[in-house]
Amino acid sequence: DIQMTQSPSAMSASVGDRVTITCRASQDISNFLAWFQQKPGGVPKRLIYASVGLESGVPPRFSGSGSGTEFTLTISSLQPEDFATYYCLQHHSYPRTFGQGTKVQIK
Amino acid sequence: QVLLRESGPRLVKPSGTLSLTCAVSGDSITSANSWSWVRQPPGKGLEWIGEIYHTGSTHYSPSLTSRLTISVDKSKNQFSLSLTSVTAADTAMYFCARDQPGYGFDQWGQGILVTVSA
Repeated sequence: DIQMTQSPSAMSASVGDRVTITCRASQDISNFLAWFQQKPGGVPKRLIYASVGLESGVPPRFSGSGSGTEFTLTISSLQPEDFATYYCLQHHSYPRTFGQGTKVQIK
Repeated sequence: QVLLRESGPRLVKPSGTLSLTCAVSGDSITSANSWSWVRQPPGKGLEWIGEIYHTGSTHYSPSLTSRLTISVDKSKNQFSLSLTSVTAADTAMYFCARDQPGYGFDQWGQGILVTVSA
């Protein structure tokens, strides 16, 4: 199984901050990685597909990068509506595996 | 517009069977996509359960495979999950999702909270 190690598990940030979340895969997954945002009580919403593709309707302050085993989600200027939990997902092979999640909280 | 909707009992007794159905609209269950189940215990992260293709080909989480069956009903455009011998550890929000080849999960159901309790 491919393990996805996501960091940090939680962070505090202020509106306007640049935020970076990292996922590391235990083996090469090429670009088969997606990023999701989940708000409390809500459904996961895909932000990024194929490592770098921005989902339609998602603000351009969100961006993804990486390939192989190292991936990054960046929020260039954190907005109040961005406080949520973020997950990465590898869909290179089965079983599909999620990162542990990163909770972004208000500082 | 693609919509997925989970349904099934919200309360299951320990040692019983958890059965859920995901009805799909706006896409055919026989399309090139696969159809997944994901769960999230209260206050915890997302866990992939398993997936089915319309041919009936399945992939299951290794931790659940001995208790899990996922099936598809093409006539009703839906797929289902059956998890046997449940315990309190199976209490979770259960989501169904569409898995696009090469792109991952793009559409999700609203989720259904299933509690395992006597």
